[in-house]
Amino acid sequence: GAVVSQHPSWVICKSGTSVKIECRSLDFQATTMFWYRQFPKQSLMLMATSNEGSKATYEQGVEKDKFLINHASLTLSTLTVTSAHPEDSSFYICSARGREDYEQYFGPGTRLTVT
Amino acid sequence: GQNIDQPTEMTATEGAIVQINCTYQTSGFNGLFWYQQHAGEAPTFLSYNVLDGLEEKGRFSSFLSRSKGYSYLLLKELQMKDSASYLCAGEDSNYQLIWGAGTKLIIKP
Repeated sequence: GAVVSQHPSWVICKSGTSVKIECRSLDFQATTMFWYRQFPKQSLMLMATSNEGSKATYEQGVEKDKFLINHASLTLSTLTVTSAHPEDSSFYICSARGREDYEQYFGPGTRLTVT
Repeated sequence: GQNIDQPTEMTATEGAIVQINCTYQTSGFNGLFWYQQHAGEAPTFLSYNVLDGLEEKGRFSSFLSRSKGYSYLLLKELQMKDSASYLCAGEDSNYQLIWGAGTKLIIKP
């Protein structure tokens, strides 16, 4: 089956620093990747959608200058949280979908804690 | 507007059957997904319904009525490991998923 990995699985950083999270599709070409954020006891919130080779489309209320998304290849997308603050602490999950696929395959998630 | 409604929490007994309902309103509609999410983990795919009717997959079945904007997930022979949140997501005509808030299912012995 389709496998998506995320790295790191958890990270603790100091306020004001930047953190990069990688999302990789291991055995298929992901033409579209999605980045979600999930706060405790809440549902997934879509942050942005990215298609390979083009700029990400951000959801309303998500700061594109703060959450930098790069989808440079068909197997890799990165999310960089710039100048992180404690309120950015959350569970960040990516998912990927292939060209002919209807299903989104989820990565295991990255738990970010900003101190 | 686009909206997905599902109950916040449900409780059921081990070995029993439970039905989790979901109603949806989306801009165009391609299909409906159900995902299972255990606490602290990413969602895992359960089902995708495009056509009306019931699709059975082992202990889990999913039903869709496009005319009523309604779906349900049916879980049979409940096991303790089925305690999780169950997320309903409608796929709109742009292939975007509109997520429900999730139904937390608590299984009691």
